Amino acid sequence: DAGVTQSPTHLIKTRGQQVTLRCSPKSGHDTVSWYQQALGQGPQFIFQYYEEEERQRGNFPDRFSGHQFPNYSSELNVNALLLGDSALYLCASSSDLRAETQYFGPGTRLLVL
Amino acid sequence: KQEVTQIPAALSVPEGENLVLNCSFTDSAIYNLQWFRQDPGKGLTSLLLIQSSQREQTSGRLNASLDKSSGRSTLYIAASQPGDSATYLCAVEVDNDMRFGAGTRLTVKP
Repeated sequence: DAGVTQSPTHLIKTRGQQVTLRCSPKSGHDTVSWYQQALGQGPQFIFQYYEEEERQRGNFPDRFSGHQFPNYSSELNVNALLLGDSALYLCASSSDLRAETQYFGPGTRLLVL
Repeated sequence: KQEVTQIPAALSVPEGENLVLNCSFTDSAIYNLQWFRQDPGKGLTSLLLIQSSQREQTSGRLNASLDKSSGRSTLYIAASQPGDSATYLCAVEVDNDMRFGAGTRLTVKP
């Protein structure tokens, strides 16, 4: 079992561009959550996908959007990038958020110049 | 709004010491609390998960306690080792939303 995988590992973009990050959940998991972790801070919840729908959303603007595919993999899209979007983006998967540990991927480090 | 605070922000101890990391949260209506470990530039590894109905969990040299009424959790690490050096994060779950503290950066010196 490969666990949670994310791609790419690193990414450099310029202000105003758009970016797409990808996540494949751990085998047997159907729920995917995305987090943003700025340097020196704890992760902040962006949103969660279950059954191809956004189930819960944190305090992030509409520039952040996502998608979940029938195979449970997920994408995070960020439009009109700002310098402040530079962060480590973490994906986590689970089968039941309240009963099980969430498994986190290694993250995608995004740098916006 | 749920706020999670971790004290201290950083801690340096000699190898072999027992240590305690603290986590506090403002709203006791949580589903669970987790402690994670994060190595520099890496993702999170779950260490211990405590359901809201539980008081503590143990795994090897780690013991985590939960006191919902006071909004506190502690992570006890026994006989610390240099390999324990990492950032430790606590997180509480409320309505499919996990709220994290900023972490405690632990350094264990040989």
